[in-house]
Amino acid sequence: NAGVTQTPKFQVLKTGQSMTLQCAQDMNHEYMSWYRQDPGMGLRLIHYSVGAGITDQGEVPNGYNVSRSTTEDFPLRLLSAAPSQTSVYFCASSDQGTSTDTQYFGPGTRLTVL
Amino acid sequence: GNSVTQMEGPVTLSEEAFLTINCTYTATGYPSLFWYVQYPGEGLQLLLKATKADDKGSNKGFEATYRKETTSFHLEKGSVQVSDSAVYFCALTSNAGGTSYGKLTFGQGTILTVHP
Repeated sequence: NAGVTQTPKFQVLKTGQSMTLQCAQDMNHEYMSWYRQDPGMGLRLIHYSVGAGITDQGEVPNGYNVSRSTTEDFPLRLLSAAPSQTSVYFCASSDQGTSTDTQYFGPGTRLTVL
Repeated sequence: GNSVTQMEGPVTLSEEAFLTINCTYTATGYPSLFWYVQYPGEGLQLLLKATKADDKGSNKGFEATYRKETTSFHLEKGSVQVSDSAVYFCALTSNAGGTSYGKLTFGQGTILTVHP
């Protein structure tokens, strides 16, 4: 099992550019989510999905879009990047997404917006 | 809303020293509590968890007890190693209002550095 994989590992964008961060898992997990990590603030939830075709907003959803067409993949889209979106992004998955489930994290994508 | 507060870091210790990282929380419902660890250049991985009051989570010599009366989940290890150097995050999920779908609320993280 590869677990949770993310691409790219690093990305530099200019303000206004768009891009998609990729996330995939091979554990047949129903629940997937995206977090951003900023210094001194821990991780904050952006969007999550409880299964293919079902997504919802987290704590900081503005500026980001998601979709879930398959169980395995959960891409995060930045439509018009802003410097405030400079951060490290982590994707996570868990079996059913209940409050007691262990969540498995990918290695992260470090994004810089100039 | 839910919140997690961790002790300020960074924490610097010598090998074999005793470690405590304090964590307190505010939550509605019946939260589950977690410690995640992030080694340099890697993603987060679960260190231990406790899903109800008075439960003790343990792993790799680390322990934490879910104390509902003090709303705390302090992380302890009796003898740290250089390989324990990492960032430690306390986190919770809450099932208030129905299924929480595992939405984690994190503390700000505590950087631990262990010297030989």
